[in-house]
Amino acid sequence: SAVISQKPSRDICQRGTSLTIQCQVDSQVTMMFWYRQQPGQSLTLIATANQGSEATYESGFVIDKFPISRPNLTFSTLTVSNMSPEDSSIYLCSVAGGQDYGYTFGSGTRLTVV
Amino acid sequence: AQKVTQAQTEISVVEKEDVTLDCVYETRDTTYYLFWYKQPPSGELVFLIRRNSFDEQNEISGRYSWNFQKSTSSFNFTITASQVVDSAVYFCALNQAGTALIFGKGTTLSVSS
Repeated sequence: SAVISQKPSRDICQRGTSLTIQCQVDSQVTMMFWYRQQPGQSLTLIATANQGSEATYESGFVIDKFPISRPNLTFSTLTVSNMSPEDSSIYLCSVAGGQDYGYTFGSGTRLTVV
Repeated sequence: AQKVTQAQTEISVVEKEDVTLDCVYETRDTTYYLFWYKQPPSGELVFLIRRNSFDEQNEISGRYSWNFQKSTSSFNFTITASQVVDSAVYFCALNQAGTALIFGKGTTLSVSS
């Protein structure tokens, strides 16, 4: 099953700045998914990233705020731009193809914006 | 539209009690998949099970069991003889093949000794 390395694991950022989160997968995957988990909440899908095409964003998420890069089949980045305290969340990437057909998740990036 | 409802926000039990976590889903698709994930306090998401819509057999794995009933659109999860290590947030999720998972709001299970 796929293994995902997600970086950074946590960061504290100043408002108005940007943070780029990286996910590296140990095998080639067609689609990668980016989620946000606000404190005490469930996971909300931000976007689906296919290699070679623009990411598809869910309602409430826009490319200017959350630009996504997918340069190849094993790597993707999510940038949280012009951050505000409301962006403080855990951000996770995910791919299909885990053990027993589950979806594998990165370990998450815990972002705090001050 | 697809939707997953976990009506139980929090459940507290004492060790060795059995506990059932409810999951009700909505979808218009005939082929779909249901999942359960565990999120312990450390934060990582741990995959527990995937079920496809054509397989209504109940599943048992150690102290864990799952009951899938299409007639009631439910995919409930039972922990038998709960342990403190079972304390976590449990998420039920739904998708079609190859698409992103749609998660329920989660149920926080607290098991005390």
